[in-house]
Amino acid sequence: DIQMTQSPPTLSASVGDRVTITCRTSQSINNWLAWYQQKPGKAPKLLIYKASTLESGVPSRFSGSGSGTEFTLTISSLQPDDSATYYCQRHTNYFGGGTKVEIK
Amino acid sequence: EVQVVESGGGLVQPGESLRLSCAASGFTFSRHWMSWVRQAPGKGLEWVANIKGDGSDKYHVDSVKGRFTISRDNAKNSLHLQMNSLRAEDTAVYYCVRDSGNWALDYWGQGTLVTVSS
Repeated sequence: DIQMTQSPPTLSASVGDRVTITCRTSQSINNWLAWYQQKPGKAPKLLIYKASTLESGVPSRFSGSGSGTEFTLTISSLQPDDSATYYCQRHTNYFGGGTKVEIK
Repeated sequence: EVQVVESGGGLVQPGESLRLSCAASGFTFSRHWMSWVRQAPGKGLEWVANIKGDGSDKYHVDSVKGRFTISRDNAKNSLHLQMNSLRAEDTAVYYCVRDSGNWALDYWGQGTLVTVSS
């Protein structure tokens, strides 16, 4: 089994801050990595696929990078609407534990 | 517009069965792998099962093997999850999800809650 480790588990940042979430995998997954955003009581929403490709309609302040075993999701300028939990996923069957992003 | 809508959740006792359904529309259903993903209360996401577009391949997470079965009816654009011998730890919101074909899950239903409790 592949282990997916997200860090940090929670983070608190101010509007306008640059925020980075990391996802590390126990073995190389090439670029088969996606990022999702989930708000309370809602279904997850796809943000990034193939590690760095922005899903249509997703604001350009979101970006993804990495390959192999280390990946990052970056929000270039945090907005109030970005308060949510973010998950990485190695397609199809492995999810990270999530990172809760709070606005200070 | 792509839509996936789950139904069939509810409260059941341990050991009982439940069948979840998902109605898909707005895309060529038979061309896409489909998945069920669940989320226990206050917990993270867990992939449960997926099935190829023509139904010829299917996979289940180890914790549900032998108890849950994913299936599809392409004539009716529907996905199903037959859940037998339910346990308290199966309590979760179950999401029906489309596989984009680009190594990601791009359309999620609103979820249906399954509660297993005596």
